[in-house]
Amino acid sequence: ETGVTQTPRHLVMGMTNKKSLKCEQHLGHNAMYWYKQSAKKPLELMFVYSLEERVENNSVPSRFSPECPNSSHLFLHLHTLQPEDSALYLCASSQRGHASTDTQYFGPGTRLTVL
Amino acid sequence: SQELEQSPQSLIVQEGKNLTINCTSSKTLYGLYWYKQKYGEGLIFLMMLQKGGEEKSHEKITAKLDEKKQQSSLHITASQPSHAGIYLCGALSTGGFKTIFGAGTRLFVKA
Repeated sequence: ETGVTQTPRHLVMGMTNKKSLKCEQHLGHNAMYWYKQSAKKPLELMFVYSLEERVENNSVPSRFSPECPNSSHLFLHLHTLQPEDSALYLCASSQRGHASTDTQYFGPGTRLTVL
Repeated sequence: SQELEQSPQSLIVQEGKNLTINCTSSKTLYGLYWYKQKYGEGLIFLMMLQKGGEEKSHEKITAKLDEKKQQSSLHITASQPSHAGIYLCGALSTGGFKTIFGAGTRLFVKA
């Protein structure tokens, strides 16, 4: 099993659709992260969960809704997105998270296109 | 807020040549990470540096954190096509536990 998996790898959706991105980590880590990567811009941290509790919400619009049912799974629910939300969405996990210098391990990402 | 600036933004080198990528922080670094990203895919962890002057190597890639802990350089020796991709530096921000990233350096290696 690879460390961090993400599904789907590619997603095309209309602005009125509702979809969800899924992330699963097989590393026994306690923290999980969602990042957005747009063309030629630095990675933007969106959400951080540590021990299934959200510890960071980096001023993300409410059309993005995260869910962390357990320490191995992380979801990002999407609704009424805008074309500028098109990007590569990356999930990561780390052993401790929250004020630690733990290395984050990334999934392959979901390429999202909003029409 | 802390920022990481990478240079150059992109780089084209002939196979076999050496190259260096730099990452400069606007504030003191507490942990500097180097990642490699293949186009449109996730980040692959290369190495982490914490102490000023620390140097680490991963195959033909060497990274160093300077003494004042505000800059890191990544050096590739005898580049190969497999080295092509985007190299990103990341650091734990001084304001908290949030990891910030540079915009990346796109490396192209000509065979």
